[in-house]
Amino acid sequence: KQEVTQIPAALSVPEGENLVLNCSFTDSAIYNLQWFRQDPGKGLTSLLLIQSSQREQTSGRLNASLDKSSGRSTLYIAASQPGDSATYLCAVGTSGSRLTFGEGTQLTVNP
Amino acid sequence: DAGVIQSPRHEVTEMGQEVTLRCKPISGHNSLFWYRQTMMRGLELLIYFNNNVPIDDSGMPEDRFSAKMPNASFSTLKIQPSEPRDSAVYFCASSLFGGVSYNEQFFGPGTRLTVL
Repeated sequence: KQEVTQIPAALSVPEGENLVLNCSFTDSAIYNLQWFRQDPGKGLTSLLLIQSSQREQTSGRLNASLDKSSGRSTLYIAASQPGDSATYLCAVGTSGSRLTFGEGTQLTVNP
Repeated sequence: DAGVIQSPRHEVTEMGQEVTLRCKPISGHNSLFWYRQTMMRGLELLIYFNNNVPIDDSGMPEDRFSAKMPNASFSTLKIQPSEPRDSAVYFCASSLFGGVSYNEQFFGPGTRLTVL
């Protein structure tokens, strides 16, 4: 059974700092990995999707990497802003389009 | 595109009542997913459909839960009878599944269900 772990569970940083969120998974036989953002009381917003054949994806200030062999992914956020405050979820895609989610990292960026 | 649409956004009901949650996926998507999110268990996949056919319902907690997808643009998740432990946020998501390439799942805003 695939298990996804996210570290740290919570993170508080000053505005402008570069930061890294970590995601690890137990079964390397994945099809893709997706990072989401969830604001309080809201739904999930897809940030980046990395296919299993890819090593990284970039969108604006966000960069996600994938190392299947070690079962790890990182989400790098450059020059953080207060508007980046949210919970970030990592989800691993396995057979049949199933996504297994981590418990999330709650990020607070202080002005 | 309006994205994934869910209704109602909030539902408060009493134990024992029937609850029906509705979802309209993104036009052109052929996969639809129902998730439940609670503080205790996080996000859990309940059931998903490919081309309107249920593929995996192993996440459906009990026989009180049922889901249907009568056509490509509509799905329902029904709970009958509802219990207080069913209180959660229920999300619907859709994606375009095409062979080897598994594409992004897009989530709706969710339905916050409270069973008293």
